[in-house]
Amino acid sequence: EPEVTQTPSHQVTQMGQEVILRCVPISNHLYFYWYRQILGQKVEFLVSFYNNEISEKSEIFDDQFSVERPDGSNFTLKIRSTKLEDSAMYFCASTRLSGRGDVGIQYFGAGTRLSVL
Amino acid sequence: KQEVTQIPAALSVPEGENLVLNCSFTDSAIYNLQWFRQDPGKGLTSLLLIQSSQREQTSGRLNASLDKSSGRSTLYIAASQPGDSATYLCAVTSRKSGQNFVFGPGTRLSVLP
Repeated sequence: EPEVTQTPSHQVTQMGQEVILRCVPISNHLYFYWYRQILGQKVEFLVSFYNNEISEKSEIFDDQFSVERPDGSNFTLKIRSTKLEDSAMYFCASTRLSGRGDVGIQYFGAGTRLSVL
Repeated sequence: KQEVTQIPAALSVPEGENLVLNCSFTDSAIYNLQWFRQDPGKGLTSLLLIQSSQREQTSGRLNASLDKSSGRSTLYIAASQPGDSATYLCAVTSRKSGQNFVFGPGTRLSVLP
């Protein structure tokens, strides 16, 4: 079973610090996503990424956030200056949108729990 | 804007019962609907994906149906087991949301031994 891996599993940071959350999508997937889930709330879409650029982003994804695919395997989410309200579980997902079989299925990683103090 | 709701919010059943979880969405022009399972503090496990051209999907004891015209999907779990206890999330991609999932709030299921 292919899987998306995320590191670290838990990140604790001080307000105002920069954090980078890392994801390794499934190897033959080309479409990547970040979602977040604040404790007790719905999972919310942040951003999608395809062909080395942002495809879509939500109103949550403001100038404090950025995404990057620095090499052929990693996909990162950076928060420049964290706020208390950024505390949440952050999920990375990937999918392939063409071909056969599991087309359209988004596979999610186990998440990174970000705690901003 | 696509809105996804799920009822009930929580459900507690004795082991062995068959049960139905409901998901409703406002924009019927959907691309895909995916059911997930989430254990407390954990990630999302994909259970079933129904594409817009399909009416149902089955995997083991799980069966998901889709009725686009009424904006509804149901997840049927047969012969429930304590290990099925988790939160079940419904998520939809649609014309209004693009390829990005809009998630429902989930149904928290407890199966009692």
